[in-house]
Amino acid sequence: QKEVEQDPGPLSVPEGAIVSLNCTYSNSAFQYFMWYRQYSRKGPELLMYTYSSGNKEDGRFTAQVDKSSKYISLFIRDSQPSDSATYLCAMRAGSYQLTFGKGTKLSVIP
Amino acid sequence: SAVISQKPSRDICQRGTSLTIQCQVDSQVTMMFWYRQQPGQSLTLIATANQGSEATYESGFVIDKFPISRPNLTFSTLTVSNMSPEDSSIYLCSVTGQPQRGIYEQYFGPGTRLTVT
Repeated sequence: QKEVEQDPGPLSVPEGAIVSLNCTYSNSAFQYFMWYRQYSRKGPELLMYTYSSGNKEDGRFTAQVDKSSKYISLFIRDSQPSDSATYLCAMRAGSYQLTFGKGTKLSVIP
Repeated sequence: SAVISQKPSRDICQRGTSLTIQCQVDSQVTMMFWYRQQPGQSLTLIATANQGSEATYESGFVIDKFPISRPNLTFSTLTVSNMSPEDSSIYLCSVTGQPQRGIYEQYFGPGTRLTVT
């Protein structure tokens, strides 16, 4: 079992839809959870950063962490064509080393 | 967040040759890392670039194949040596700055897209 599992998609939704992106993990030592957005031919851009369990909201984006289930989610409300990108989950324990999922490719259709 | 630039942005190289990738940051940073992103795969950490000392390599990556330099707190290079087609990938520089509210956020450069023929 890989440390971080992420459905690669692709995921296609109509503009205005609510998008749910998810990752599961096996390492209970992970405490810091991140979501990166990567546009085509660009580097990953840090979108959300959460410590331990709970929710964090930033505009149209909400990150959720459920450590008991080893499950994290990113919700995008009122999705826009500009949200079309690959979304990478990443997590780490106490050290600097990040463990990434493979990324989910999202297309928001106008 | 730090602004990170990489050179070259892309290159096509012949097998058996070497390519050096540069990473420049607009401010002094604590940690610098080099990652590889292969199609359909997770980002994989190659090594941590240590200022003034040898890099720390992850399992499966060796200094002879991926020599790294970090002469100061804003600059690092990664060399991909004796390249083969399997080295075709995107190589990403990443940095961690000073903690914000106790959290070390990690940022990525735009990447270098390498194709080996």
